Amino acid sequence: AQSVTQLDSHVSVSEGTPVLLRCNYSSSYSPSLFWYVQHPNKGLQLLLKYTSAATLVKGINGFEAEFKKSETSFHLTKPSAHMSDAAEYFCVVSEVPPSNTGKLIFGQGTTLQVKP
Amino acid sequence: DAGVTQSPTHLIKTRGQQVTLRCSPKSGHDTVSWYQQALGQGPQFIFQYYEEEERQRGNFPDRFSGHQFPNYSSELNVNALLLGDSALYLCASSSWGGSREQYFGPGTRLTVT
Repeated sequence: AQSVTQLDSHVSVSEGTPVLLRCNYSSSYSPSLFWYVQHPNKGLQLLLKYTSAATLVKGINGFEAEFKKSETSFHLTKPSAHMSDAAEYFCVVSEVPPSNTGKLIFGQGTTLQVKP
Repeated sequence: DAGVTQSPTHLIKTRGQQVTLRCSPKSGHDTVSWYQQALGQGPQFIFQYYEEEERQRGNFPDRFSGHQFPNYSSELNVNALLLGDSALYLCASSSWGGSREQYFGPGTRLTVT
């Protein structure tokens, strides 16, 4: 069965400094992995996705993530944080065989705080 | 191009009552999934509908049921509401057999008193 662990429940950075949000996954199959962002009282927005193509994935708003199979990790990074990046971030794995429905399994989330 | 829409945005119900939440998928999508997000938690999968059939179900009791219509829109019904059903209910749409990403609506905030 697939699962996701977000290693930090809360990350605080200063504006203009790098962001690192850590995620480890467990999967018996080649996973599809995603990062979603949720701003307060909003729905979920897809930041980026990994689906077995390039291991370094670029997303929206300057975010990127690197798939490392040997470490079962999919960490999210951004070179320079902006105040508008403050939000809840979810690492997500898609359930692939046997169900094949693409059910999403979410981590517990990481709250990103950006200080001026 | 309209994204995923949900109605209503907020709802307050009393324990024991029944509620119906609605979702219209993104244009071109044929699959609808429902998730429950309790406060401070990640979303939990409730079930998924494709071709008007429930294709997979998460670990939720039979009080939670759904329906998909020929135009791909969907409803989530919850009977005999409990206080613990208070949550943000998210609808996501996707293409069956596609690239797995799901697009989410803004959610319906259900409060059970």
